[in-house]
Amino acid sequence: GQSLEQPSEVTAVEGAIVQINCTYQTSGFYGLSWYQQHDGGAPTFLSYNALDGLEETGRFSSFLSRSDSYGYLLLQELQMKDSASYFCAVMDTGRRALTFGSGTRLQVQP
Amino acid sequence: GAVVSQHPSRVICKSGTSVKIECRSLDFQATTMFWYRQFPKQSLMLMATSNEGSKATYEQGVEKDKFLINHASLTLSTLTVTSAHPEDSSFYICSARSPSGTPYEQYFGPGTRLTVT
Repeated sequence: GQSLEQPSEVTAVEGAIVQINCTYQTSGFYGLSWYQQHDGGAPTFLSYNALDGLEETGRFSSFLSRSDSYGYLLLQELQMKDSASYFCAVMDTGRRALTFGSGTRLQVQP
Repeated sequence: GAVVSQHPSRVICKSGTSVKIECRSLDFQATTMFWYRQFPKQSLMLMATSNEGSKATYEQGVEKDKFLINHASLTLSTLTVTSAHPEDSSFYICSARSPSGTPYEQYFGPGTRLTVT
């Protein structure tokens, strides 16, 4: 089976940097993905890490340490529109389906 | 980019009736689609994997006779909630793998909010 843990809520101010952590347990690891979901909307893909290290995409970066079963999403220069829920997800090597973490609700304040 | 649509976006039905939700890949072919359910302020829970031309694979605890999945073509998968009850009220979302072949990237439909009265 698979399980992922994330903080339930994070609050930060505009312009700040915030890190959302994710620890996982999985029987077969295919990589760690991050998705963003605004209230009432569909999840959208943000990033993916298959190997250890940092992946940068604009204001968002994602990090993975496979030995620690740990990853994080780093959001820089926060904007109000970044207020959303962020989910980490792992894919098992068998059925290749995603299992999502419980989600972290980010609230960006002015 | 890859676009996945769902219809309807919202549906209200009476207890005991059945509801069909459609999921379409608009500009690519999807041999595999996934159906998720999401309760308010909770995570997405995978219900089943829909495979074109074959039977769906259901997750443990999901009643296959209650949630009927049909993937009749490479661009359409349907989820039918049979004999719906108020506890089936939820946000149902489908997804398909990226057509570029990267398995970790999925494209999600906009979701269907089902309310059973």
